[in-house]
Amino acid sequence: TQLLEQSPQFLSIQEGENLTVYCNSSSVFSSLQWYRQEPGEGPVLLVTVVTGGEVKKLKRLTFQFGDARKDSSLHITAAQPGDTGLYLCAGTMIAGGTSYGKLTFGQGTILTVHP
Amino acid sequence: EAGVAQSPRYKIIEKRQSVAFWCNPISGHATLYWYQQILGQGPKLLIQFQNNGVVDDSQLPKDRFSAERLKGVDSTLKIQPAKLEDSAVYLCASSRGDFAEAFFGQGTRLTVV
Repeated sequence: TQLLEQSPQFLSIQEGENLTVYCNSSSVFSSLQWYRQEPGEGPVLLVTVVTGGEVKKLKRLTFQFGDARKDSSLHITAAQPGDTGLYLCAGTMIAGGTSYGKLTFGQGTILTVHP
Repeated sequence: EAGVAQSPRYKIIEKRQSVAFWCNPISGHATLYWYQQILGQGPKLLIQFQNNGVVDDSQLPKDRFSAERLKGVDSTLKIQPAKLEDSAVYLCASSRGDFAEAFFGQGTRLTVV
C-alpha cells in the first residue's frame, strides 16, 4: 500500500501546454516536498510546503499544500522540453514509536514534454 | 558546500555475491537515509539514521541487507547474498535534521545477473 498516491503516473504533452500533478494521502504530513529527478541523477529538491493551504511559486511551477496537509499539487504553466523528468512528492511524518520525522515518497510522475 | 558523495556509481554482480555501497553525507547533517529506487518508481526508504542511531529500518530486508553509520558520519549499505530483484539504484540522502530538507547523492546503480 502506497502512503502517497501520485497521479498521473505518466504524462506526455506538447510544449506550451499546462499540466497538474497530484499527490494524495489519507495521512497528515508535517511537511511535503516536491523533487525532480533526471536519468542517472538523484532527486533534486524543488520546494517544501509546511502550512496547510500554502501556495508557493517557482517561475512557471506552482505548488499547493492542501488545507488538511494530506495532499498537494504541482502545476506547470507553458511546459518546456527542459521540464521533462520524474517528479516526486515526498511527505514527512513522525516515524512510528519515535519522535523523529520520516520522509516517504510517492511513486512518481514521469513527464515528457515534446518540442 | 559539497554534496552527498556515493560510490561506486555502477556495480554489476552475480546473484548470491555480496556488495557494499558507501555514502559520505553533507558535513554537519545529522540525518542520513538509504533508499532503494526501482526504475521509473519512487524511492523506497530502507533505513534512516539520526547521528549513528537507527530511527527506522522497517523496510530493510534484514536477512540480507545491513547498514551502519560509524561515528555518525559516513555510512555503508551491504547486501549479502544478492538476489536478482535487488537490481535497482541505491540512493543516499542527508539532512540537517529529520524534518529538514533532504539532499541526495547521484546513487549507485546495481545490476544483479
